[in-house]
Amino acid sequence: ETGVTQTPRHLVMGMTNKKSLKCEQHLGHNAMYWYKQSAKKPLELMFVYSLEERVENNSVPSRFSPECPNSSHLFLHLHTLQPEDSALYLCASSPRSLGPNTEAFFGQGTRLTVV
Amino acid sequence: DAKTTQPNSMESNEEEPVHLPCNHSTISGTDYIHWYRQLPSQGPEYVIHGLTSNVNNRMASLAIAEDRKSSTLILHRATLRDAAVYYCILRDQDDYKLSFGAGTTVTVRA
Repeated sequence: ETGVTQTPRHLVMGMTNKKSLKCEQHLGHNAMYWYKQSAKKPLELMFVYSLEERVENNSVPSRFSPECPNSSHLFLHLHTLQPEDSALYLCASSPRSLGPNTEAFFGQGTRLTVV
Repeated sequence: DAKTTQPNSMESNEEEPVHLPCNHSTISGTDYIHWYRQLPSQGPEYVIHGLTSNVNNRMASLAIAEDRKSSTLILHRATLRDAAVYYCILRDQDDYKLSFGAGTTVTVRA
């Protein structure tokens, strides 16, 4: 148990569906991240939120829409996805204000399959 | 971002030490060296980090070269549960995100 909880753990969705991934942390962290991990590939950073403001968007297609309503919650809204979007989606958090001399905590991930 | 280079894979026997090398020849003076690992079907987990001095914790030791251009993660007695992908990552004072490479896949033989 890392203190970062992701739901659901598994999700199967059609290409025309709309779904959302949820991430929650009560560690008091003020930076949250979405990563994508496709099969046999390194983790790819998608979005970074710091103090509830999006500070990085790594050229992610608009069919992925993040939302950070408060410092404890992070969502990834999905719509009209493609089969190649099937991957493990990981959420992480860290105490940004402490800089690089601190660790990040990851959730268990959501295994997404697009059919 | 400064880059790191790690071997693709390493094998070890159970109960034996594992030394995982990482080269970071372009490291800057303010970069911290972080290690994370990812067990199968799980998210990455923090292992250890350091700046200049060697570091020890309950999971592992981190040995940092004097010139800081390389480091070694040491698992003192490998167990089957240590089989994972180990990532060496540099973080500077202005970089609050983690950028992952391919890492080293560690296999532990019983």
